[in-house]
Amino acid sequence: GEDVEQSLFLSVREGDSSVINCTYTDSSSTYLYWYKQEPGAGLQLLTYIFSNMDMKQDQRLTVLLNKKDKHLSLRIADTQTGDSAIYFCAETFNNAGNMLTFGGGTRLMVKP
Amino acid sequence: ETGVTQSPTHLIKTRGQQVTLRCSSQSGHNTVSWYQQALGQGPQFIFQYYREEENGRGNFPPRFSGLQFPNYSSELNVNALELDDSALYLCASSLGRVDNYGYTFGSGTRLTVV
Repeated sequence: GEDVEQSLFLSVREGDSSVINCTYTDSSSTYLYWYKQEPGAGLQLLTYIFSNMDMKQDQRLTVLLNKKDKHLSLRIADTQTGDSAIYFCAETFNNAGNMLTFGGGTRLMVKP
Repeated sequence: ETGVTQSPTHLIKTRGQQVTLRCSSQSGHNTVSWYQQALGQGPQFIFQYYREEENGRGNFPPRFSGLQFPNYSSELNVNALELDDSALYLCASSLGRVDNYGYTFGSGTRLTVV
């Protein structure tokens, strides 16, 4: 079955770049997403990428997709303290287009 | 009206009881999905409703059930509550069953079963 893995924790200094990584097992993924969750809040969609794309840039966010290695990353440029949160990658599949499968989340801590 | 709203925000129930959680979808969204997020984990898909019918279900027992109403608001019902049902329950709405732009999530209902 499908499985999405993320590292648990990342700590960076304010102004540095952050790179959050995600690996997945199902090659039939259609869309891959990055969501942000702040304490006590729901999930905020940050960006998404279609599976036939390699890269997508949206202001400070850059998503890289390596389909061969089934690896997805989110780079946050000029990381700010307000970026401290839990980041989830998620995917949908052709044969299960209704559901999002999430990773366990990466907690990003930004130090001043 | 914009955004997805859920009620209540917090709830404490006793093992064996029943609970109903409510969700108001974002305006114009005809699809609603429910997710369970245990502490320290990613959300797990429970089920999805499209035009008032169940349209997909995750690995949850039948005591988890739902309803979607003509105004696209929805309910999640859980019978015979167990301690492991303690979690954040998230509702997400979308336009259509496969939304290219992701889902709009509510802030969730934190359920504690004691």
